[in-house]
Amino acid sequence: TQLLEQSPQFLSIQEGENLTVYCNSSSVFSSLQWYRQEPGEGPVLLVTVVTGGEVKKLKRLTFQFGDARKDSSLHITAAQPGDTGLYLCAGGPGNTPLVFGKGTRLSVIA
Amino acid sequence: GAGVSQSPSNKVTEKGKDVELRCDPISGHTALYWYRQSLGQGLEFLIYFQGNSAPDKSGLPSDRFSAERTGGSVSTLTIQRTQQEDSAVYLCASTPPGTGRGYTFGSGTRLTVV
Repeated sequence: TQLLEQSPQFLSIQEGENLTVYCNSSSVFSSLQWYRQEPGEGPVLLVTVVTGGEVKKLKRLTFQFGDARKDSSLHITAAQPGDTGLYLCAGGPGNTPLVFGKGTRLSVIA
Repeated sequence: GAGVSQSPSNKVTEKGKDVELRCDPISGHTALYWYRQSLGQGLEFLIYFQGNSAPDKSGLPSDRFSAERTGGSVSTLTIQRTQQEDSAVYLCASTPPGTGRGYTFGSGTRLTVV
């Protein structure tokens, strides 16, 4: 069974600070996705990474896929209150349902 | 429709009753997934439909859970003889054809068994 471990589980920071959250596994994934979920809503896809070592940027968010395709990180620069939410990583071998981590709950305080 | 639609958004039911949860995926999306999200837990896979293939039911926690997808579109998740541990948010997602596609989720059905 493929498992994804996310850390930290909770993170509370001040507006303007930088942060990094991690997603680790002992299994290799063909692709890895990051989602953000707000209360009362379903997760929304932020990015998909497919190549080992790949780095993708989405405004203040930087996503990296590990060289061995077993881990990933999400770095947020100058966090804003609007970044508050549950960040989920999810991976899969390609044609089977995604496995999700338990998420990192981020709170950005103004 | 423009997005994945789930109904009802909230459901409170008495222990032992049956419930039906509905998911209307994005038109043209061939794959449909049901996940369950409990407080403090990640998303737990339940069942997956892909086109006309037999569904992958490997995530269903017990035989009280079943799902069907009619006409390759709308799906219904049925929970019989509900138990308190079934309380959770049930999320439906769909994807277009092709592998590695991101999921589009509905807003979920929050089920509370009392």
